[in-house]
Amino acid sequence: EPEVTQTPSHQVTQMGQEVILRCVPISNHLYFYWYRQILGQKVEFLVSFYNNEISEKSEIFDDQFSVERPDGSNFTLKIRSTKLEDSAMYFCASRGGSTAEQYFGPGTRLTVT
Amino acid sequence: GIQVEQSPPDLILQEGANSTLRCNFSDSVNNLQWFHQNPWGQLINLFYIPSGTKQNGRLSATTVATERYSLLYISSSQTTDSGVYFCAVLLSQGGSEKLVFGKGTKLTVNP
Repeated sequence: EPEVTQTPSHQVTQMGQEVILRCVPISNHLYFYWYRQILGQKVEFLVSFYNNEISEKSEIFDDQFSVERPDGSNFTLKIRSTKLEDSAMYFCASRGGSTAEQYFGPGTRLTVT
Repeated sequence: GIQVEQSPPDLILQEGANSTLRCNFSDSVNNLQWFHQNPWGQLINLFYIPSGTKQNGRLSATTVATERYSLLYISSSQTTDSGVYFCAVLLSQGGSEKLVFGKGTKLTVNP
């Protein structure tokens, strides 16, 4: 069964460093999302992406964040200058065109020290 | 914005017991999903259920969209059912969409 994959599974970085989280959505999917979950809290929407542009972004998704679909298969989330409060689990999700069901990847646990 | 409330927040069961988890939402939604977050943090799709009832093995879910709630039933619970169960409602507005999650129900199944 096709699945969303994410790399790395765990990333440790120092405050102020740039990180890139990578996702490979399900191959025929058209809509892509990033969510995050701070430890012990609920999952929060960050950004949605369709047709090579951002459809919607949350208040969390400020100028330090960017997304890109560089090669037709990968979908990346970049944090330009990480802060301690960026420590969280980041989930990528995708969906096809025929249903609204979103499929989630296993997540990348980002730890900012 | 829309509110998604899940109850109970915590639930402890003995193996073999049945349980019902509830999700209430404050406004009309286009779709609803239930997830299980396992101890490794992975979100596992359980149900995509905008309305009606679906069953998958020992799990079933019912959404009554007109009354703004959904229920997840777990029968004959097993220790591997432990984890956090989230419901998430889909908001679609002006060509964009996002899932809004509840805070989850933490389920512990003891042997």
